[in-house]
Amino acid sequence: GAVVSQHPSWVICKSGTSVKIECRSLDFQATTMFWYRQFPKQSLMLMATSNEGSKATYEQGVEKDKFLINHASLTLSTLTVTSAHPEDSSFYICSAVSTSGYEQYFGPGTRLTVT
Amino acid sequence: RKEVEQDPGPFNVPEGATVAFNCTYSNSASQSFFWYRQDCRKEPKLLMSVYSSGNEDGRFTAQLNRASQYISLLIRDSKLSDSATYLCVVGPFGNEKLTFGTGTRLTIIP
Repeated sequence: GAVVSQHPSWVICKSGTSVKIECRSLDFQATTMFWYRQFPKQSLMLMATSNEGSKATYEQGVEKDKFLINHASLTLSTLTVTSAHPEDSSFYICSAVSTSGYEQYFGPGTRLTVT
Repeated sequence: RKEVEQDPGPFNVPEGATVAFNCTYSNSASQSFFWYRQDCRKEPKLLMSVYSSGNEDGRFTAQLNRASQYISLLIRDSKLSDSATYLCVVGPFGNEKLTFGTGTRLTIIP
């Protein structure tokens, strides 16, 4: 149990285009999902907290108009990187917290490369 | 000062040896503590939670020292499969808004 999926697992896009990443909790409901970004040899950095049915809470320094988050249901949150640039190339990982527990379950990550 | 600090390593340890990692955190109000393991180009996976009384899971032992604000992880009888990056993770009550350390890279040598 407690499986989180992400789609796509990797994507290459051209500079200026937008990319949508999906995060799904497959066998549990998640009121809260988190979006992280990890650059090579660095730690996971929390980008935003996504709550079902409400606006996401962004961490300091993360542009909310560039990284659009939608958490429309208890099993799905999406992150859209708008007008992507090469510096947005990173490993994006989501996690989900079960409505009945505390543990964060991580998705397998999405590797984004912007050319 | 970083919120969570770890020695990045790398630690190169022979198979069968015992290895220990420490981690310090700056927020004294932190209530939840974890060790995660991350393999190359993969997502982090929870290794174990850390409690004030200390806890053990097989070859792994975790300790928390609130007074000194550090967390430790001990791996006994290390296996080749233990090679990974070990992330010290700290958070408020529950499991929200976790702060990750940069990780300690461990390589077990045959």
